[in-house]
Amino acid sequence: QQPVQSPQAVILREGEDAVINCSSSKALYSVHWYRQKHGEAPVFLMILLKGGEQKGHDKISASFNEKKQQSSLYLTASQLSYSGTYFCGTPSNSNSGYALNFGKGTSLLVTP
Amino acid sequence: DTAVSQTPKYLVTQMGNDKSIKCEQNLGHDTMYWYKQDSKKFLKIMFSYNNKELIINETVPNRFSPKSPDKAHLNLHINSLELGDSAVYFCASSLQGIHNSPLHFGNGTRLTVT
Repeated sequence: QQPVQSPQAVILREGEDAVINCSSSKALYSVHWYRQKHGEAPVFLMILLKGGEQKGHDKISASFNEKKQQSSLYLTASQLSYSGTYFCGTPSNSNSGYALNFGKGTSLLVTP
Repeated sequence: DTAVSQTPKYLVTQMGNDKSIKCEQNLGHDTMYWYKQDSKKFLKIMFSYNNKELIINETVPNRFSPKSPDKAHLNLHINSLELGDSAVYFCASSLQGIHNSPLHFGNGTRLTVT
């Protein structure tokens, strides 16, 4: 079962903030976040393993709420380079460490 | 230097043909994957191998046959290609499973079936 991402698409001006949400109908053991630029491969951003864990990567951070079975990705003071499609991924089941199911992606466009 | 490399980058072929995509990783990872990304950018797991052993085989037509000669290589052979097979195929690897290690993707193979 794939996680559900929202929104589907976001358009921002440089310097604005955005939040991308990822939720699952099943218990989550971990959540991955990736960014894919047009014509390129997805690139790893971060993994969140524990409930409530927050991680940061430059001005991109994420939180993981195990109880609510959701994760959010926060993009602060967005830059043009943040444009791309963001995917969250969750293990196919809590015991399986061998497959990551991705959400349908959130397309982010940052304009000057 | 490339961590996960796939060949070819582009593949254009006619319906009914058989084709192969090769993947190699030099990261020393134990687990390798094949993902299919369709025109709507949906990334779907096809296969997962751990130390040359098939772990995950999602609902994929048996025209698709993965082969892992060693843990650094995972190839994908596709028989009797159909129009619906057109997509970008990504190979990926991770250290051990995916719970606490990221996926490293190859650059993808864009397959076009005419």
